[in-house]
Amino acid sequence: DSGVTQTPKHLITATGQRVTLRCSPRSGDLSVYWYQQSLDQGLQFLIQYYNGEERAKGNILERFSAQQFPDLHSELNLSSLELGDSALYFCASSRQPGNSPLHFGNGTRLTVT
Amino acid sequence: AQKVTQAQTEISVVEKEDVTLDCVYETRDTTYYLFWYKQPPSGELVFLIRRNSFDEQNEISGRYSWNFQKSTSSFNFTITASQVVDSAVYFCALSEEVRDNQGGKLIFGQGTELSVKP
Repeated sequence: DSGVTQTPKHLITATGQRVTLRCSPRSGDLSVYWYQQSLDQGLQFLIQYYNGEERAKGNILERFSAQQFPDLHSELNLSSLELGDSALYFCASSRQPGNSPLHFGNGTRLTVT
Repeated sequence: AQKVTQAQTEISVVEKEDVTLDCVYETRDTTYYLFWYKQPPSGELVFLIRRNSFDEQNEISGRYSWNFQKSTSSFNFTITASQVVDSAVYFCALSEEVRDNQGGKLIFGQGTELSVKP
């Protein structure tokens, strides 16, 4: 068990809908990262937060947004969903960026029908 | 630009064979970190090892060993006496230098799917 909790485990929704994925980092970890894993793109970095502030952005679509709350949990919001958004979404956390490994949650599998 | 290449898409071995998973990386940073993660069929990503760019010592942990060679920009992973439970997708990843708590994101290779047959 990595200590990173992601909910829900599975999500099935229709095109055009909006969903929220939730992540609780390991106790003491200040940095949260979101990744998308799809068959064609592999593991792609979406966005990073450190202690509530956005720190780095990757290949995140404008339809997607995220935030990290004062209690350090994070949410990834996906809107106007398309079939191509179907993927496994991972959250990872680390104590200090670069000085410690990323520990990943079990992921949320999103299916858009 | 940073890049990680795992040229082996799939490897199939018979139990007890040794197997080496290749990883080649590209970066302009002088300080960086290299990682290996395991993704078993259940889907989670399990951290295996982290190496920094200044430590070229090889590491052994049980049946796992890692060979880091800066001269060839490679960070290969060997499983000795493979077991069926080693069947998984293995990812090599590179982390950039961190500045002002920005960074530390991992750039992953495409993964190598290892199948160990009894």
